[in-house]
Amino acid sequence: NAGVTQTPKFQVLKTGQSMTLQCAQDMNHNSMYWYRQDPGMGLRLIYYSASEGTTDKGEVPNGYNVSRLNKREFSLRLESAAPSQTSVYFCASILQGESAGNTTYFGEGSWLTVV
Amino acid sequence: AQTVTQSQPEMSVQEAETVTLSCTYDTSESDYYLFWYKQPPSRQMILVIRQEAYKQQNATENRFSVNFQKAAKSFSLKISDSQLGDAAMYFCASIPGYALNFGKGTSLLVTP
Repeated sequence: NAGVTQTPKFQVLKTGQSMTLQCAQDMNHNSMYWYRQDPGMGLRLIYYSASEGTTDKGEVPNGYNVSRLNKREFSLRLESAAPSQTSVYFCASILQGESAGNTTYFGEGSWLTVV
Repeated sequence: AQTVTQSQPEMSVQEAETVTLSCTYDTSESDYYLFWYKQPPSRQMILVIRQEAYKQQNATENRFSVNFQKAAKSFSLKISDSQLGDAAMYFCASIPGYALNFGKGTSLLVTP
């Protein structure tokens, strides 16, 4: 059981380049999320998908797009990377419901540097 | 919007001693969950403990326990018998709605 898998783990981009971060979960969770983590800022929500076919903006969506390809996969795209997008990105999914305790499961993070 | 506040950017504890990390939150929801996550240098997010707001009993997980004060909207984490492996960033988080809201974290240093 792999849990939440995100790729790539490390990436260096030049300003203006585009790239997609991939995320997949094998736990049959309905909801999936993309967070970014910057020094001293905790984790901030970029986008989320409550169910297959739906996506919504979080706290810091500017400069990003997402696709919920199917129930398992939720990708994050940077169309024109900027140095301000240098960060560690986390994909997550949640097992909702009282019995599950609404526990969120995280991928291992993707380190993105934009130069 | 819900907010989670961790007022201690850094804390230090000696091995085998007890330390308490503070967290306050602000929500208008009546049903919500609270969490503490540990993040070691590897950046992996590890669930430490979870508390359901409707439960009055404080959650415990081995050496980790919480002091949940619902009226005061306070959710502190107590680590007993601290170990070197407890050194990490600790994040308090709440989920009153669709996603986790995080505090900015407390860096815990454990000294021998």
